[in-house]
Amino acid sequence: SAVISQKPSRDICQRGTSLTIQCQVDSQVTMMFWYRQQPGQSLTLIATANQGSEATYESGFVIDKFPISRPNLTFSTLTVSNMSPEDSSIYLCSVEAQGTGEQYFGPGTRLTVT
Amino acid sequence: TQLLEQSPQFLSIQEGENLTVYCNSSSVFSSLQWYRQEPGEGPVLLVTVVTGGEVKKLKRLTFQFGDARKDSSLHITAAQPGDTGLYLCAGFSNAGNNRKLIWGLGTSLAVNP
Repeated sequence: SAVISQKPSRDICQRGTSLTIQCQVDSQVTMMFWYRQQPGQSLTLIATANQGSEATYESGFVIDKFPISRPNLTFSTLTVSNMSPEDSSIYLCSVEAQGTGEQYFGPGTRLTVT
Repeated sequence: TQLLEQSPQFLSIQEGENLTVYCNSSSVFSSLQWYRQEPGEGPVLLVTVVTGGEVKKLKRLTFQFGDARKDSSLHITAAQPGDTGLYLCAGFSNAGNNRKLIWGLGTSLAVNP
């Protein structure tokens, strides 16, 4: 298993601004994932971040809106750019246990855009 | 497109009752995972089932993988308030170069004391 921390845990932001969410893992991992979740609902994968290469975005998500950095094997950031109220959600990062698909999640960042 | 249908979507029961959550698909998965998420936390992996027909038990929770590896169920015996949370199934497809984790829509369970 892996221990994952996220910062901030929550934030309230004004529309038009940007927020960068940090994700730190206690061990080196190849792949990190960023998800979005409405409270009480399922997860939607935003992108997969591999160290040393550009993130791979899922359909409906673009780099200009959700730029991702992956500077090393234990850290990643997701920026939510030019926010609107529709971006209000919980953002989660996760890592995968090698080859199994099993995910270990951070506690999430609850974002509210006013 | 691979889909995982999860039912029921919401469930509110009294402490001590039994319940079953279902996760169904028309697609075959290499494995299927069950997670539980409590408010303010990320999902936590409960179990992974790999073999068709496999049954795994975790205290009062029993997980079963369908023979054809297209569906799964989670049965909770004598539910307790601590079982309250969002239960998510996720099917892992590892066919060739196309690795993908497909998430169910979730079952929100409330166990009332």
